[in-house]
Amino acid sequence: DGGITQSPKYLFRKEGQNVTLSCEQNLNHDAMYWYRQDPGQGLRLIYYSQIVNDFQKGDIAEGYSVSREKKESFPLTVTSAQKNPTAFYLCASSTLAGAMETQYFGPGTRLLVL
Amino acid sequence: AQKITQTQPGMFVQEKEAVTLDCTYDTSDQSYGLFWYKQPSSGEMIFLIYQGSYDEQNATEGRYSLNFQKARKSANLVISASQLGDSAMYFCAMREGKDTGRRALTFGSGTRLQVQP
Repeated sequence: DGGITQSPKYLFRKEGQNVTLSCEQNLNHDAMYWYRQDPGQGLRLIYYSQIVNDFQKGDIAEGYSVSREKKESFPLTVTSAQKNPTAFYLCASSTLAGAMETQYFGPGTRLLVL
Repeated sequence: AQKITQTQPGMFVQEKEAVTLDCTYDTSDQSYGLFWYKQPSSGEMIFLIYQGSYDEQNATEGRYSLNFQKARKSANLVISASQLGDSAMYFCAMREGKDTGRRALTFGSGTRLQVQP
């Protein structure tokens, strides 16, 4: 089955700790995205990547970092600089096929601070 | 200004009835795309329907249809014959054509739909 997987489902972070969220897709999509969702709100863009070894900051990139070493993988690191990391993190991917390209989402990772 | 506005935080509908979820958008682009996603309690975002700004007909996908009124900048989702499994958060989103670099979606704040038996 083609799709997007995210792991872990739940993640706990201690103060001062960096944690990495995994995102893998087997849809052969070129573009990948990371969004953050806070309770009762819509999604906000953290980072995006359209090609291997290239990525761009979104609207709320501070305190986060990413890498894109393989087309199918786009891990997100939440660094200790992110002071309020508790949120639901969603990874998405899409083709670069024009205006109607649709983003498909993974199941998400819920990050909690201990 | 908000690019995507969903004014209904919560909606109730009786099973088997139709329901309309409102979405208005703001863009100066001529070319843009509008999307609706469903988010059940599990959290995953499920793509429902897409409408392009140049599409002359309203999009339909099974029980979902999009009531696109370009002059009013509205893109309301209509769910016909509601089912208990339709209970979820629903998000309207837009991608603007000028944003060819970023290609990211801008989301509204969502509407929580509860279908009652």
